Formats: sequence, C-alpha cells, structure tokens
Amino acid sequence: ETGVTQTPRHLVMGMTNKKSLKCEQHLGHNAMYWYKQSAKKPLELMFVYNFKEQTENNSVPSRFSPECPNSSHLFLHLHTLQPEDSALYLCASSQVLGDYYEQYFGPGTRLTVT
Amino acid sequence: GQQLNQSPQSMFIQEGEDVSMNCTSSSIFNTWLWYKQDPGEGPVLLIALYKAGELTSNGRLTAQFGITRKDSFLNISASIPSDVGIYFCAGRPGDMRFGAGTRLTVKP
Repeated sequence: ETGVTQTPRHLVMGMTNKKSLKCEQHLGHNAMYWYKQSAKKPLELMFVYNFKEQTENNSVPSRFSPECPNSSHLFLHLHTLQPEDSALYLCASSQVLGDYYEQYFGPGTRLTVT
Repeated sequence: GQQLNQSPQSMFIQEGEDVSMNCTSSSIFNTWLWYKQDPGEGPVLLIALYKAGELTSNGRLTAQFGITRKDSFLNISASIPSDVGIYFCAGRPGDMRFGAGTRLTVKP
C-alpha cells in the first residue's frame, strides 16, 4: 500500500465512450502526475500538477483531459480514444521540496480500447 | 532530452545468486531512484539517491549513485523467488526520466 489509490483498476471502453480515471493520494503531497505505460517502453509522463496547477503537458492528445480539483485528487477524462491508447495508466504523487522528488505510484488502471 | 539506458533488459538467475543492473544517462543527473514493479501493480520505490558516490542499502538491495553523476547501479544479494519483477531506474533534473526496465526471473 503506497498511499496512492486508483479506480477503476480495469476499464474496457469503446472508441466513442467517455470515461474518467480517478486517483487519490493520502500522503499530503503537493504534486500529482499521470503516466502512460505501454509494453516494453519507458514510462511516458503525460501531465504534471504542482500545487494544483498544471505545469506540464507533454504534447498529449486532446482526447485526454486532466483535472485536479485539489491537492489530493486527480482525474483523467477520456473521450473518443483510439486502440493505441490501450495501456496501463499510472498516477503518482510527490512532495516537491528542493531536490527531494520521490514519486509514489498507484496500482494503475489497465485500459483497453476496443 | 536526457536519455536513460538501462541494462540488461532481462536476467534469468538461480535462487541464491547475486544480481547487478545499471542505468546510464547522456547528461548529469542530481537524483536517481530505483523502483520494482510486480505484474498488475504500480512501481514501488526501493531506494532514492541524491549525492554522487552515495551508497544506500535496503535489506538485500544496494544502490549507488555513480561518481560521474551519469550512472547508477542496483545490486540484489542472495536472490529469492519474490525478487521476480521488473526493476526501473529513474532520474532527473527536470521531469523524471525512466529506464525501460530490467525483467528479473529467479529460478528456484
């Protein structure tokens, strides 16, 4: 148990569906992240929220839309996805303080787009 | 951006053997982290390193921050079956970069 929870753990959706992934951290951290993990590829950073403000958007397609209502919750809204978007989506949190930057991950949501 | 090369990609070892894996970057890093990921789960932080030359242990795991600040090593001593999984290095400055992982298989 890392203190970061994600729901749902598994999601199957059609290309025309709209769904949302949820992440909650219980660590009192001030930054949260969304990563995409595809088979045999390094983790890809998608979005960063630092003190609830989005600070990074690494050229992610607009069919992925993040939302960070407070420092403990992070959502990833999905719509009109493509089959190549099937992957494990990981949420992480960290306390950004100087060079201290340890990220703690949730268990992930396994997404399958049909 | 900074590229992380992690090797080996996979290892098949006998229970009780020691394991060594490493990561190298194309530029200087100020933080190195090592994670383990079990199937169907997220990565779990094992060791964090913040100073060149730093050597840190966590049970049977030992990691080092290379003197050149461009590499890091993870060693596992006396491996056991539950060590099976994928080990990732990660480092920064800037956004955290991740290696592609080393898949470890331990044969009883």
